[in-house]
Amino acid sequence: RKEVEQDPGPFNVPEGATVAFNCTYSNSASQSFFWYRQDCRKEPKLLMSVYSSGNEDGRFTAQLNRASQYISLLIRDSKLSDSATYLCVVNPSGGYNKLIFGAGTRLAVHP
Amino acid sequence: DADVTQTPRNRITKTGKRIMLECSQTKGHDRMYWYRQDPGLGLRLIYYSFDVKDINKGEISDGYSVSRQAQAKFSLSLESAIPNQTALYFCATSDVDSTGETQYFGPGTRLLVL
Repeated sequence: RKEVEQDPGPFNVPEGATVAFNCTYSNSASQSFFWYRQDCRKEPKLLMSVYSSGNEDGRFTAQLNRASQYISLLIRDSKLSDSATYLCVVNPSGGYNKLIFGAGTRLAVHP
Repeated sequence: DADVTQTPRNRITKTGKRIMLECSQTKGHDRMYWYRQDPGLGLRLIYYSFDVKDINKGEISDGYSVSRQAQAKFSLSLESAIPNQTALYFCATSDVDSTGETQYFGPGTRLLVL
């Protein structure tokens, strides 16, 4: 079983749609969680951290379910510019700073 | 100017050749990393360094070596390139904030080994 698993997609949605991605992780002791965004042929960039209580940044909402070992990313009112690959990232051991990356979920927003 | 730079951006080489990929950063971070990315796989850690005198192997270090010449520079070498080292290589730096860690990536080096 992969340490971090994501549905590869692609998710094809129209502008304005709401879309949600899930990600599961295998290490129950994992300490911190992130969503990174990667545009085609570009470097990954931090989109948002995921807090235990859930957190929101504009149209983006991230949630963590420790009991079921998954995190989610919800994008509301999708824009064409949201088209990218979204990487689920887990730090399994807190301060050690070794990040485990999922393979990514590809999102394509069309007019 | 970019905070993390990588050279070259693209490289084609032949099996058996030694090549070096270079990474420089102006963020003042102590921690630097080398990853490779292959289609359908997540980024995989090759080597990491928490300061100039600290070098550690990642999950796929075989066939690679690194050098931390200064706080700002971290080089990755392929001693004898082979075709399955064809991949997209990223350098990253990090700091630690209250949420855990944020990593900042360079633009990547696309390597093709023939």
